[in-house]
Amino acid sequence: QQQVKQSPQSLIVQKGGIPIINCAYENTAFDYFPWYQQFPGKGPALLIAIRPDVSEKKEGRFTISFNKSAKQFSLHIMDSQPGDSATYFCAAGNSGYSTLTFGKGTMLLVSP
Amino acid sequence: ETGVTQTPRHLVMGMTNKKSLKCEQHLGHNAMYWYKQSAKKPLELMFVYSLEERVENNSVPSRFSPECPNSSHLFLHLHTLQPEDSALYLCASSQEGFGGYGYTFGSGTRLTVV
Repeated sequence: QQQVKQSPQSLIVQKGGIPIINCAYENTAFDYFPWYQQFPGKGPALLIAIRPDVSEKKEGRFTISFNKSAKQFSLHIMDSQPGDSATYFCAAGNSGYSTLTFGKGTMLLVSP
Repeated sequence: ETGVTQTPRHLVMGMTNKKSLKCEQHLGHNAMYWYKQSAKKPLELMFVYSLEERVENNSVPSRFSPECPNSSHLFLHLHTLQPEDSALYLCASSQEGFGGYGYTFGSGTRLTVV
């Protein structure tokens, strides 16, 4: 019940494309869903996060879509750029606790 | 700088050595974590400290020993490691209940055990 399943494992898109990364969870107690971006040699950095009281959140070119009934959420990157090439992790947590459960990550490559 | 500083950035150690990894956060957070990140593997939670007390230990071998002397500092003491322990070790901090900001990670220590 603590797992967060992330897909795909890797993704290649052309510049300007819209990569979509999907995550699914089982634990209905989760109420916080962040996405992290990690560049080689760096630690993951918080990109955007959503709580289940909204179905969508946008920050710049990054959008989270959230489907509470399906227990799924996804990250969309609009007008993707080569600089977006990185590993993306979804995660889920409960505000009453401090521990996040992470997905296995998606390696995104945006070709010029 | 992300507000979480890890030292050293790189460490090469023999299997009989003893070394320590250090993490320092300047964000006023009250929870700190150690994660292990191996190639092509997900982030593995090792230890959680909340309000300076260890609240989680994810079946980590005893050759890894954490220490949290105060809410700003976290150490990972290493001894008699194995080559399979080579990985990126990440420290993170957060505020209880997240406050909408989740974790802040350091840049990690790249550990190589020879």
